[in-house]
Amino acid sequence: DTAVSQTPKYLVTQMGNDKSIKCEQNLGHDTMYWYKQDSKKFLKIMFSYNNKELIINETVPNRFSPKSPDKAHLNLHINSLELGDSAVYFCASSQVDEKLFFGSGTQLSVL
Amino acid sequence: DAKTTQPNSMESNEEEPVHLPCNHSTISGTDYIHWYRQLPSQGPEYVIHGLTSNVNNRMASLAIAEDRKSSTLILHRATLRDAAVYYCILRFSGSARQLTFGSGTQLTVLP
Repeated sequence: DTAVSQTPKYLVTQMGNDKSIKCEQNLGHDTMYWYKQDSKKFLKIMFSYNNKELIINETVPNRFSPKSPDKAHLNLHINSLELGDSAVYFCASSQVDEKLFFGSGTQLSVL
Repeated sequence: DAKTTQPNSMESNEEEPVHLPCNHSTISGTDYIHWYRQLPSQGPEYVIHGLTSNVNNRMASLAIAEDRKSSTLILHRATLRDAAVYYCILRFSGSARQLTFGSGTQLTVLP
């Protein structure tokens, strides 16, 4: 059983489109995260939700909107995609003070 | 957030020990030292963490300097499967805040 699963694994789309990435965790964790990893491999936090409540919202364009329908799911919706949005997006989950479990990533390519 | 400094890359021979250093001179008293690694085309995975005392688990050992301004991740016998980017991260205790990842150390294991 996959602990943190995100779909799709690959996403290729045109500039200006709207797309979503889904994430689910079956670990019973209270906190979920979205990270972005750029071409230089830097891994940056984007959002963090704790029990469906947004607790971290780093400097991310308003085009990015997280949605947490329940504490096992944290989806990422991106409007008006731009070339610079091309990256690998990782979902993760944890309990407070505990280690993070990451998904396998979504490779987003904006053409 | 306190920062960490790691070498960009290191090499090791297979079946030899590897010592991966990390400097964190601005660490606060409540910061835990975490290590994660990222294998090619995968999400980061937890390796080990500690506060003041040295720690051992099945994957690695963590040696923490007495002043806590530096630490060393020790892989006792490197295998080809240990080739990855290793991240040293500080995490504030008692918070659901994210882990902030730096650029990490790319470990190459030579057969």
